[in-house]
Amino acid sequence: DAGITQSPRHKVTETGTPVTLRCHQTENHRYMYWYRQDPGHGLRLIHYSYGVKDTDKGEVSDGYSVSRSKTEDFLLTLESATSSQTSVYFCAISSGTGGNYGYTFGSGTRLTVV
Amino acid sequence: TQLLEQSPQFLSIQEGENLTVYCNSSSVFSSLQWYRQEPGEGPVLLVTVVTGGEVKKLKRLTFQFGDARKDSSLHITAAQPGDTGLYLCAGGGNNDMRFGAGTRLTVKP
Repeated sequence: DAGITQSPRHKVTETGTPVTLRCHQTENHRYMYWYRQDPGHGLRLIHYSYGVKDTDKGEVSDGYSVSRSKTEDFLLTLESATSSQTSVYFCAISSGTGGNYGYTFGSGTRLTVV
Repeated sequence: TQLLEQSPQFLSIQEGENLTVYCNSSSVFSSLQWYRQEPGEGPVLLVTVVTGGEVKKLKRLTFQFGDARKDSSLHITAAQPGDTGLYLCAGGGNNDMRFGAGTRLTVKP
């Protein structure tokens, strides 16, 4: 019942290199989100999109950029990876904004920056 | 700092026991959601509550939204090993949901 897939599932990269994570959805949902999950911090919003080419920053956006050229794809780029960006990254989709619409999450990408 | 505080952080119980976990905030939310997350997977939505004082039941799970819409609780009756997981609450913001750090529940057979 995928509906949303993230790639890659695991990645190890070196400090200073750029990294791009991909989120692909087949639900035609307007809203897409990137979160990171770290022990003790829960899920924190990095960036979100409310339509093609429409994006905005979340609470932990420094060092990250996003792009959405098609409804189905939302890319997260770490411009120059740092060890503090080692985390599990989750993409989520929603048909509406605010708390009345549930999120559907992908299975995550575990990123290690060495 | 966490906008949503969840307690307890960890909970380990025997199969058949009842339990309650809590989600508290100083902020008022228009709605609150509960998710369960299993290892290696993304969170899965369990319920959304939108009205102060609202109670929703999902089989053995009972969710309550506080009257002031600042807190919520999740009660599980007769817990089973399949209930094991990380339980996350999330409060509705203008454009996104803000998540607590979760309660990690282990139910031993």
